[in-house]
Amino acid sequence: NAGVTQTPKFRILKIGQSMTLQCAQDMNHNYMYWYRQDPGMGLKLIYYSVGAGITDKGEVPNGYNVSRSTTEDFPLRLELAAPSQTSVYFCASSYSIYSGAAKNIQYFGAGTRLSVL
Amino acid sequence: DQQVKQNSPSLSVQEGRISILNCDYTNSMFDYFLWYKKYPAEGPTFLISISSIKDKNEDGRFTVFLNKSAKHLSLHIVPSQPGDSAVYFCAASARETSGSRLTFGEGTQLTVNP
Repeated sequence: NAGVTQTPKFRILKIGQSMTLQCAQDMNHNYMYWYRQDPGMGLKLIYYSVGAGITDKGEVPNGYNVSRSTTEDFPLRLELAAPSQTSVYFCASSYSIYSGAAKNIQYFGAGTRLSVL
Repeated sequence: DQQVKQNSPSLSVQEGRISILNCDYTNSMFDYFLWYKKYPAEGPTFLISISSIKDKNEDGRFTVFLNKSAKHLSLHIVPSQPGDSAVYFCAASARETSGSRLTFGEGTQLTVNP
């Protein structure tokens, strides 16, 4: 079982270019998340989704867009890349239940390291 | 507004000794707390969690303590092993939060020396 799969692992963009970071999960989780991690900082939530067709902004959504057409996939789109978007991006998923030990444990992909030059 | 804070960027301990990682929070609505471990070039992996109705949760060498009045939690690792060397993130969530979002601390780099 693959869990959460992110592609690509590394990417270098020029300022103004666009790209899509792919994220897929095979655990049938209804919740999915995108985070960015800057050096020495914690993970900041960019966007999240509580199910197919439903997305919402997190702490740092500017410059990004998402879509969720299926339960499995949650791509993150950068339309006009800027140097401030140089970061490591993590996708996560969870099946949130409010009882038992499984409450809101998020499972993460290995990350995409993005440099914008 | 940093609602979850890990004040120690790094911690170094000897193998076999206890590692204590600390985390403070400000949001009184947080009711569930988690610790994640992260190795270089990998995603964070879940380690242990605790509900606000408890003050301690233990799983093998790992124990998390919660002091609600002080809005403080800590992770104890006993005995520490070189393989425990990683970045540890504290995270918190509130029941009423849409999507069960987590708020993360900045992380503490733990180094366990042989």
